[in-house]
Amino acid sequence: NAGVMQNPRHLVRRRGQEARLRCSPMKGHSHVYWYRQLPEEGLKFMVYLQKENIIDESGMPKERFSAEFPKEGPSILRIQQVVRGDSAAYFCASSPNVPYEQYFGPGTRLTVT
Amino acid sequence: QKEVEQDPGPLSVPEGAIVSLNCTYSNSAFQYFMWYRQYSRKGPELLMYTYSSGNKEDGRFTAQVDKSSKYISLFIRDSQPSDSATYLCAMPTGGGNKLTFGTGTQLKVEL
Repeated sequence: NAGVMQNPRHLVRRRGQEARLRCSPMKGHSHVYWYRQLPEEGLKFMVYLQKENIIDESGMPKERFSAEFPKEGPSILRIQQVVRGDSAAYFCASSPNVPYEQYFGPGTRLTVT
Repeated sequence: QKEVEQDPGPLSVPEGAIVSLNCTYSNSAFQYFMWYRQYSRKGPELLMYTYSSGNKEDGRFTAQVDKSSKYISLFIRDSQPSDSATYLCAMPTGGGNKLTFGTGTQLKVEL
């Protein structure tokens, strides 16, 4: 039973480029969450999605960041015009019907040069 | 005041010791309490979660909730070097739409 999958695992972007992070939830899970972990900081919630719907984006920066979870395919976290402060580990989690039981993927480590 | 607070450590113990990891929280409405383990440069792994007060045991791990003190604990018995990791407590907030994490306690179990 495959776990949450994220790709790429490592991503290097220059300032001003776009970063696209992908997440495939566990089979049978319809809830997807994105978190960011900055060096020396804890995990911070960004956004919660169900298929084709953004349920809670209260943790998303107001500009440059967007997320989607289409009917078919993985969830995408998109960061436009990246800046050095965006360098972090981005984790995706999924859960079954009970939203509290979240299972995390291995993360994408974004480095902005 | 942060919603969830956790001593960052590091905590170093000898192999075989009993480890106690703790978190405090501010919102008395919290009902679910999670513990995650995160190895270096890996994703968090759900160890166990409890609902409301009381204890829950799973192998060498015991989670304890004291709602009157707003204090939760994770005990690890017979600790092993493979337990060396960062342990994160978490609670659902925002109407249950997200998890709020403590900053994590770094544990090292030495031979």
